[in-house]
Amino acid sequence: QKEVEQNSGPLSVPEGAIASLNCTYSDRGSQSFFWYRQYSGKSPELIMSIYSNGDKEDGRFTAQLNKASQYVSLLIRDSQPSDSATYLCAVHGFQKLVFGTGTRLLVSP
Amino acid sequence: DVKVTQSSRYLVKRTGEKVFLECVQDMDHENMFWYRQDPGLGLRLIYFSYDVKMKEKGDIPEGYSVSREKKERFSLILESASTNQTSMYLCASRGFRGGRSSYEQYFGPGTRLTVT
Repeated sequence: QKEVEQNSGPLSVPEGAIASLNCTYSDRGSQSFFWYRQYSGKSPELIMSIYSNGDKEDGRFTAQLNKASQYVSLLIRDSQPSDSATYLCAVHGFQKLVFGTGTRLLVSP
Repeated sequence: DVKVTQSSRYLVKRTGEKVFLECVQDMDHENMFWYRQDPGLGLRLIYFSYDVKMKEKGDIPEGYSVSREKKERFSLILESASTNQTSMYLCASRGFRGGRSSYEQYFGPGTRLTVT
């Protein structure tokens, strides 16, 4: 079992819709969770961090954490074509950040 | 804003060459990391450093070494480049936020290395 799992996609949504990206992790002791956005050929950019169960909102982005279910999600409201990218989930385990392989999101105009 | 820079965006080297990849951060961060990213394999940690002259092996250290002589600079060295080291190399740093250690990592732009 991978430490951090994401569906590779692509996840296709129309412009203006809500995109929902999901991530599960295996280390129950993890306390810090992150979402990165990576455009093709570019480096990952941190867009959200979440540490407590529940929701955290920042603009059009909402991160959701459920530690009991070992589940993290990212919602993108009013999706725009510029949101088309690969979204990496990262979980802080012992001494290091463990990344999922990412979900590719395609937002069509 | 955190700024992490890497010495080259693109690099082409021959098999057997010694390769140096440089990373500099301007936020006085204690921790610095080197990853490689390959399609289907995601980001894999090569080495990290939590202080000057300190280094720790990551998940795939074989064929690589690192150097951290100054706090702001972390170098990745490929002692004898091989074709299977063709990859995107990403440097990251993290430090303190609000007086507490933060696990947020910030990445440089990456170096796409091709070994022929």
